[in-house]
Amino acid sequence: GQNIDQPTEMTATEGAIVQINCTYQTSGFNGLFWYQQHAGEAPTFLSYNVLDGLEEKGRFSSFLSRSKGYSYLLLKELQMKDSASYLCAVTDSNYQLIWGAGTKLIIKP
Amino acid sequence: EADIYQTPRYLVIGTGKKITLECSQTMGHDKMYWYQQDPGMELHLIHYSYGVNSTEKGDLSSESTVSRIRTEHFPLTLESARPSHTSQYLCASSGTGDTGELFFGEGSRLTVL
Repeated sequence: GQNIDQPTEMTATEGAIVQINCTYQTSGFNGLFWYQQHAGEAPTFLSYNVLDGLEEKGRFSSFLSRSKGYSYLLLKELQMKDSASYLCAVTDSNYQLIWGAGTKLIIKP
Repeated sequence: EADIYQTPRYLVIGTGKKITLECSQTMGHDKMYWYQQDPGMELHLIHYSYGVNSTEKGDLSSESTVSRIRTEHFPLTLESARPSHTSQYLCASSGTGDTGELFFGEGSRLTVL
C-alpha cells in the first residue's frame, strides 16, 4: 500500500530552527509537496520538490532524497505564527496526491 | 492569488436534510477536488474532476455526489445528511503549471444534528 509517515507533533522555541521529516512509500513518484495548515483553515502551499536536493524559499527550505523516499522541511528563525500543522504529500505514478496526516508544530516563547 | 470560493462556510442541519456545498474558482483550472478532513486528521479525497462532464470517486467512500457542468463550478450534494457526515469539506483546484499545486477554498464546516 501507499504510505506517508510524519511525526504527529513537535515543539520548538521561538527564534530556533526545526526540521520536520517525511518518509514515503508510494507506487511511483512525481513530486513532493509541503503545505501549511493553521487550525480551522485550509492548507496553503509551501514548497515542491521533484529532483533531489534542497529548495530554499526565505525562512523555509525543503529537501528531497528520492532514493531514500525521504524529505524534510526546515524552518528557520521560528515565529509564533509558524504554529500550525505541516502536511507532506506525494504525487504517485497516476498523478494522484497521497497525503500524510500532518505534523502539528507548537512554538513556545 | 488563488480565487476559489466555498459556500456556506458553516452549516448546521438536521438529519435527513438534503444539502449542497458550493465551490467555484475563477482561475480556469481543469482539475477540481473535494476533500473531507476531521480535526487533526489527514485529508481524504472523496471526489475529483479533470474537466467538464468528468467526475470520479476518490479513496474515501462517500454518500455524496458531485457534478461538473461548468469549468468553474464543482458542487457537492448530500441527498440525506447523517451525523456521520459532520466534518470539514475542502474544495481545491489545480492548473497545468509546473508543480500542479492545489489551491484550496476556505472550507465548509458541516454539522449534522
